Amino acid sequence: KAGVTQTPRYLIKTRGQQVTLSCSPISGHRSVSWYQQTPGQGLQFLFEYFSETQRNKGNFPGRFSGRQFSNSRSEMNVSTLELGDSALYLCASSLAASGGLRETQYFGPGTRLLVL
Amino acid sequence: AQSVTQLGSHVSVSEGALVLLRCNYSSSVPPYLFWYVQYPNQGLQLLLKYTTGATLVKGINGFEAEFKKSETSFHLTKPSAHMSDAAEYFCAVSETNTGFQKLVFGTGTRLLVSP
Repeated sequence: KAGVTQTPRYLIKTRGQQVTLSCSPISGHRSVSWYQQTPGQGLQFLFEYFSETQRNKGNFPGRFSGRQFSNSRSEMNVSTLELGDSALYLCASSLAASGGLRETQYFGPGTRLLVL
Repeated sequence: AQSVTQLGSHVSVSEGALVLLRCNYSSSVPPYLFWYVQYPNQGLQLLLKYTTGATLVKGINGFEAEFKKSETSFHLTKPSAHMSDAAEYFCAVSETNTGFQKLVFGTGTRLLVSP
């Protein structure tokens, strides 16, 4: 089975621009979560989608948004980029049939975003 | 809310030595605990997880962890370090407040292995 794929792998943007990151989960997985990883804040949860619905959200400003499509692929969007948005953005998928608290999340390689 | 504390941002061992990475959690309910490893320029890979049942959990690459409720700990060990074990290790707890999975990670421990 193919793993979680994320595109693009690297991205350079300037302040004020917006960016869209894409994530394709493992086949059959219906839950997709997004995390931001920075040296200062570590790994922080952004949001989680299941069957095209956002079920859980972290403490990030409204500039961060996401969506999930009927094929479980997910995108996240960051508008009005700030320097502090430079980070590795990780996507993870799981079966999460019912809440999925015990489920293993399988992570993609991440998209490294640099904001200049 | 659940939280995780990893003691030691860096741990150095010699090849063949015991690896011990510490993780303590805070949770008012029975926790679900995970250890992930991250190699440079890669995502996270699951090493092992504890949900219920046996408190000694065996994972991949010879790693294991023991859930100790009385000590609120879930330390990761490996009897003999290998050069390929050099990476960053993250302990995580599955937060249960909303009923849907959200992993709360520790700050990570970078394992350095010297020849």
